[in-house]
Amino acid sequence: QKEVEQDPGPLSVPEGAIVSLNCTYSNSAFQYFMWYRQYSRKGPELLMYTYSSGNKEDGRFTAQVDKSSKYISLFIRDSQPSDSATYLCAMTAGGYQKVTFGTGTKLQVIP
Amino acid sequence: GAGVSQSPRYKVAKRGQDVALRCDPISGHVSLFWYQQALGQGPEFLTYFQNEAQLDKSGLPSDRFFAERPEGSVSTLKIQRTQQEDSAVYLCASSLGTVRNTIYFGEGSWLTVV
Repeated sequence: QKEVEQDPGPLSVPEGAIVSLNCTYSNSAFQYFMWYRQYSRKGPELLMYTYSSGNKEDGRFTAQVDKSSKYISLFIRDSQPSDSATYLCAMTAGGYQKVTFGTGTKLQVIP
Repeated sequence: GAGVSQSPRYKVAKRGQDVALRCDPISGHVSLFWYQQALGQGPEFLTYFQNEAQLDKSGLPSDRFFAERPEGSVSTLKIQRTQQEDSAVYLCASSLGTVRNTIYFGEGSWLTVV
């Protein structure tokens, strides 16, 4: 079993919809949680970075972490076609930041 | 430079050939990482450098894989006697410090072994 599980999708939604992306993990040492966006043939780009449990909001994006359930989420409000990409959850126990990634969820926002 | 630069962007190698992939991190970044990303998968950690010191190479899949960063800036990932299962995108990333800093990824080197 992988340390980080993520539904690969694909997920297809109409423009303007609220998107919910999720990951579960098994390693209780993980303390730092990230969401990356990866466009086709590009490197991952950091979207959100949170420490421990709680919520963090940045514009249309909200990240939630529930350490008790080992479950993290990313919500995208008012989704746009430009949000179409693969979204990778990632986490680390800290230190020099050896990051463990999920497999990524491919999102398509239809105009 | 403005971002992490990797070369070549695309490489086709015949099975058994040696390849070298180069990474130019963001200037002044102490930490440098190599990741391997297979098609449809998330990146998998290969190795980590802090300046010129290779502190973690636990993710290198075999002794055919070798990485170096001799002067603490540019890094090279070398794969000897390539195999078809080595076909993947090799991502380099760097960060300014060593703890809780944003990691910036390059666009990757796409390796296809035929």
